[in-house]
Amino acid sequence: EAEVAQSPRYKITEKSQAVAFWCDPISGHATLYWYRQILGQGPELLVQFQDESVVDDSQLPKDRFSAERLKGVDSTLKIQPAELGDSAMYLCASSSLTEAFFGQGTRLTVV
Amino acid sequence: GEDVEQSLFLSVREGDSSVINCTYTDSSSTYLYWYKQEPGAGLQLLTYIFSNMDMKQDQRLTVLLNKKDKHLSLRIADTQTGDSAIYFCAENAGTYKYIFGTGTRLKVLA
Repeated sequence: EAEVAQSPRYKITEKSQAVAFWCDPISGHATLYWYRQILGQGPELLVQFQDESVVDDSQLPKDRFSAERLKGVDSTLKIQPAELGDSAMYLCASSSLTEAFFGQGTRLTVV
Repeated sequence: GEDVEQSLFLSVREGDSSVINCTYTDSSSTYLYWYKQEPGAGLQLLTYIFSNMDMKQDQRLTVLLNKKDKHLSLRIADTQTGDSAIYFCAENAGTYKYIFGTGTRLKVLA
């Protein structure tokens, strides 16, 4: 069964360091999303791609966060420098026309 | 604006039915979804309903949609301990953008 793959599953980093997350969507899904989920809350959209183009990054803190999907397939989300408040679960999803499927997420802890 | 609201907690006894409620604000939403999240895991798509439908049934799951009141519910029949999780309602707010509620934590008591 096709799945959205994310790595790493867990990441601990010191504040002010750089950190990167990787996502491989379900084959054929043109739309890819990065969500951030703070403990006890619902996922919030950070960035949405259609193929290699950014459709929505209005909630992405662009002073420290960046995302790319160079070939329209896999994607990388980077944080530099990391802050304590960035500790959260980072979820990647990809969608067909009607359904969005999520990866297992990367749990980031900034110390 | 776009906003999805859910109650935070629900506790039921094993074997009973659970009903999780959600309200949304975007009347242009084409699809509405229910996702399940177990501890430390990603979101699992349970079911979804097209906005021109009133009801959808899928095994133990029944989704009811009241488009006039912008109210969505998920009924789980014969709730089991394995159903304990957080359930998220989501709307597809056009351009394939998904807006999620805050989640309802379902606790099933044995």
